[in-house]
Amino acid sequence: DAGITQSPRYKITETGRQVTLMCHQTWSHSYMFWYRQDLGHGLRLIYYSAAADITDKGEVPDGYVVSRSKTENFPLTLESATRSQTSVYFCASSESAGLQETQYFGPGTRLLVL
Amino acid sequence: QQQVKQSPQSLIVQKGGISIINCAYENTAFDYFPWYQQFPGKGPALLIAIRPDVSEKKEGRFTISFNKSAKQFSLHIMDSQPGDSATYFCAASKPRDSWGKFQFGAGTQVVVTP
Repeated sequence: DAGITQSPRYKITETGRQVTLMCHQTWSHSYMFWYRQDLGHGLRLIYYSAAADITDKGEVPDGYVVSRSKTENFPLTLESATRSQTSVYFCASSESAGLQETQYFGPGTRLLVL
Repeated sequence: QQQVKQSPQSLIVQKGGISIINCAYENTAFDYFPWYQQFPGKGPALLIAIRPDVSEKKEGRFTISFNKSAKQFSLHIMDSQPGDSATYFCAASKPRDSWGKFQFGAGTQVVVTP
């Protein structure tokens, strides 16, 4: 039971480079989310998706792009990485969006932009 | 602007003591209030949750107290153990938000000393 996985777990890149963070879930959950975690800010929503090919912006979407061609995958791309995008990124999924729906989080990707 | 304000930022408690974390919100449309627990190097995981139609919910050593009129809710960890050392996030969501999005607090790092 793999659940939700993220890759890579650690990434170092340089300013201006494109970076893609991968997220894969084995539950066939409809809803998927990308968050970034920074000290003092908690978890901030970047993008979310209700199904394949249905995505929308969250609280802090600037500089990020997502796609969802398959239900199980939800990659996050930093088009031109900046130092302010150094963070820990978490992917999450939930079975539906009803009241009291639990979000299940992946192990995170630590990204350092030099 | 954070819609859910969490305090304190960090907390040190002795084994056997009580840990108390507080959260406050402004949006009265919020109707579901989960708490997530995160261990170092891991993704957050649901710990306990409450709806505003009850004032308290207890699961083992963890209790949520909810004050609807004050728009505040808190997590109490009774008989704190070293294994409870983690970061705790409160969150809130709206019932009509069909995307199942959460607003997270900034997090509280709890350290339980032996």
